[in-house]
Amino acid sequence: DGGITQSPKYLFRKEGQNVTLSCEQNLNHDAMYWYRQDPGQGLRLIYYSQIVNDFQKGDIAEGYSVSREKKESFPLTVTSAQKNPTAFYLCASSMVPGELFFGEGSRLTVL
Amino acid sequence: AQSVAQPEDQVNVAEGNPLTVKCTYSVSGNPYLFWYVQYPNRGLQFLLKYITGDNLVKGSYGFEAEFNKSQTSFHLKKPSALVSDSALYFCAVRDRSSASKIIFGSGTRLSIRP
Repeated sequence: DGGITQSPKYLFRKEGQNVTLSCEQNLNHDAMYWYRQDPGQGLRLIYYSQIVNDFQKGDIAEGYSVSREKKESFPLTVTSAQKNPTAFYLCASSMVPGELFFGEGSRLTVL
Repeated sequence: AQSVAQPEDQVNVAEGNPLTVKCTYSVSGNPYLFWYVQYPNRGLQFLLKYITGDNLVKGSYGFEAEFNKSQTSFHLKKPSALVSDSALYFCAVRDRSSASKIIFGSGTRLSIRP
């Protein structure tokens, strides 16, 4: 079945460590996204990519990095520069603007 | 900048009663508006969208939304609520600067009591 796979589902990190969240899609979608979800704040856009080898910063890109070397993959690295990384991270893809397909999410906890 | 606002953090409705989840928008030009639903510890699911045309848009699971340009609103509705409709609902708008950039509201938790 087509869909989006995020891994790991749960991740624990010590302060000062970088961590990479995986996002893979087999929907043949051009656009991919990373959002961060915090209680009471809805979803905030971190990065998005409209095509391979191109991506744009969203509203809260500081402390994060991404790459888009393949159409199917859009990994997110949470760096040590991100001051408050504990959150639920959601990856999505779309073919039609606005109609996003989401993964199941990755919950990152900094110890 | 484009934005959406969901004025209610929580909406409580009895099963079988109609429900409304409110959303207002602030955009320049014609808005492209969307509703999504999120069940606990899951990703979001697309419900419906308004691009142009009929102001009443029908979507998944019996939901519909009414676009009102004069009130800059895009409220989500359902004639008869089910307990299984209990979830977190997000309104979203497409950013005018980039067709691919989607901005979400803060979410409204819908609770349907039996």
